[in-house]
Amino acid sequence: SAQLTQDPAVSVVLGQTVTITCQGDSLRGYLPSWYQKKPGQAPILVLFRADNRAPGIPDRFSGSTSGIAASLTVTGAQAEDEADYFCASRDISGRQVIFGGGTRLTVL
Amino acid sequence: QVQLVESGGGEVQPGESLRLSCSASGFTFSSWAVHWVRQAPGKGLEWLCAISYHSGDIWYADSVEGRFTVSRDNSKNTAYLRLDNLRHSDTAIYYCARAPTDTTSKFDYWGQGTLVAVSS
Repeated sequence: SAQLTQDPAVSVVLGQTVTITCQGDSLRGYLPSWYQKKPGQAPILVLFRADNRAPGIPDRFSGSTSGIAASLTVTGAQAEDEADYFCASRDISGRQVIFGGGTRLTVL
Repeated sequence: QVQLVESGGGEVQPGESLRLSCSASGFTFSSWAVHWVRQAPGKGLEWLCAISYHSGDIWYADSVEGRFTVSRDNSKNTAYLRLDNLRHSDTAIYYCARAPTDTTSKFDYWGQGTLVAVSS
């Protein structure tokens, strides 16, 4: 598959833990990156190579991967974490990059 | 500090062309690949293309190959994206992003984007 699949929306109670998932055949060979996107702002790199936090990203963000699935976990979600989250990886051919459809995270 | 600034967006009619620019500062531009990504209204992120640090490797998404052309001028610290034969579906905010290679999905710095609106 040349696609990365994400759940369109998830919600979490303030201070609780939430996991956002990403699935696709390309993840078997290529480790994903995760981006946070808020309205009117540029995307921000959150994780790269599945589980490496980008500089300045709080340690409540973590990632993992297994087979064709990857996940982004927010432990102790804060109000400012409310955003769209996109996974990305190289596609199976290795010549292109593909994004998942995005997951809208709502913090209740 | 690392900064990427896009420019060149605007409102055009279907079939017309635009050239977007991505001006870089705060880092050694000639050592980094540049990727272009867009987001249409209400839609997700879509990767468009990438150019290696030396312009020797260029990749395009299937959806834009043949209509979009990426290039760079390291002497001017600027990357370009030429959009030809624009369609309504190309209406989006276009971002450039820095990456260590042309084949990675790790984009560590992004510009603020430039809006392209295709309207008849």
